[in-house]
Amino acid sequence: GDSVTQMEGPVTLSEEAFLTINCTYTATGYPSLFWYVQYPGEGLQLLLKATKADDKGSNKGFEATYRKETTSFHLEKGSVQVSDSAVYFCALSDYNQGGKLIFGQGTELSVKP
Amino acid sequence: NAGVTQTPKFQVLKTGQSMTLQCAQDMNHEYMSWYRQDPGMGLRLIHYSVGAGITDQGEVPNGYNVSRSTTEDFPLRLLSAAPSQTSVYFCASSYGSPSGSYEQYFGPGTRLTVT
Repeated sequence: GDSVTQMEGPVTLSEEAFLTINCTYTATGYPSLFWYVQYPGEGLQLLLKATKADDKGSNKGFEATYRKETTSFHLEKGSVQVSDSAVYFCALSDYNQGGKLIFGQGTELSVKP
Repeated sequence: NAGVTQTPKFQVLKTGQSMTLQCAQDMNHEYMSWYRQDPGMGLRLIHYSVGAGITDQGEVPNGYNVSRSTTEDFPLRLLSAAPSQTSVYFCASSYGSPSGSYEQYFGPGTRLTVT
């Protein structure tokens, strides 16, 4: 079945460092791809999404590009802030699989001042 | 709008007890779902509903029941709690199915411990 694999955490960075969180997927169809963020003690919030190959999703300085050839959707940010400390989840939804949202295991990011 | 609300925030149960986790949304969303979050495993779908009166199983449905009598409410029932059900439970809603790239809105979660 469909699945999502994320790089293991925790990831610890200094403020203003460059961030990459890797995400790869397997899917039988043409999924939509998402990044959700979970701040401490809260539920998940949508960070960005992309619905077809070569689409770039962006929000709050974060970007991710839907790469069908490498089945990847890596999350990047040029300069992280302490307030970006959270758990980041990559997810996909495939119409062929009933449209359910399938999550990766999450990557915890800690940004130090 | 209150968004997605969940009650209770915390709960401790003994093995074999039953309880209902409440979920409500005031956004008139058709699609609602329940997930459990366990360390190192991300979120896994328990049950979901595409509208009032319609529910279906997700990835890990065993030990849980749901019903959807109204658009607003989607309670999750634990029939006979087991330690393996210790987890954080999230309810989510969206205007349509995630496959249509609709954003899912999550509640704040219920932390359940079964002893």
